[in-house]
Amino acid sequence: TQLLEQSPQFLSIQEGENLTVYCNSSSVFSSLQWYRQEPGEGPVLLVTVVTGGEVKKLKRLTFQFGDARKDSSLHITAAQPGDTGLYLCAGATGTYKYIFGTGTRLKVLA
Amino acid sequence: SAVISQKPSRDICQRGTSLTIQCQVDSQVTMMFWYRQQPGQSLTLIATANQGSEATYESGFVIDKFPISRPNLTFSTLTVSNMSPEDSSIYLCSVAVIAGEIYNEQFFGPGTRLTVL
Repeated sequence: TQLLEQSPQFLSIQEGENLTVYCNSSSVFSSLQWYRQEPGEGPVLLVTVVTGGEVKKLKRLTFQFGDARKDSSLHITAAQPGDTGLYLCAGATGTYKYIFGTGTRLKVLA
Repeated sequence: SAVISQKPSRDICQRGTSLTIQCQVDSQVTMMFWYRQQPGQSLTLIATANQGSEATYESGFVIDKFPISRPNLTFSTLTVSNMSPEDSSIYLCSVAVIAGEIYNEQFFGPGTRLTVL
């Protein structure tokens, strides 16, 4: 069974702090996506990384795909209360098959 | 991208009854999926809704319990049959669209929050 483990599972930080969320697997993925989900809503796609070692930036969010395409990280700089939510990574194992990570629940306190 | 709507947004149902959830997409898409999510937890794929043929179910999910229809490229339904409290969950519809030469991206509806008493 393929697994995508995310760490930490929960994170509560003060506004302005930095944080990193990790997404790890023993499987190789053709691409990997990060989502943020807020209560009562569906997951919203943040970014897709495709190439090993790729780094993408989205304002204060930096996403990196591991060289071997088995892991990824999400770094948030100067976190804000609006960053609060459930962060999910999802690895593509086939053309349209995805495995979702275990999730990281982030709370940013004002 | 794709805009996806689901109906109902939430429902409270009695044990033993069935509920049909509708998913509407604003454009034609080949791949549609149904997921289940326990509040605050990750997503579990129930099945892939195939247009014109039977849905493809993941391990642990069967057609008798979760019948799926896909009459065209913009619409699908998921029925949760003979419900029990263990079926209380959030049910999400998603679609995959081609985004690059070798990858696609997945977009989600807002979800249907189901509570079974």
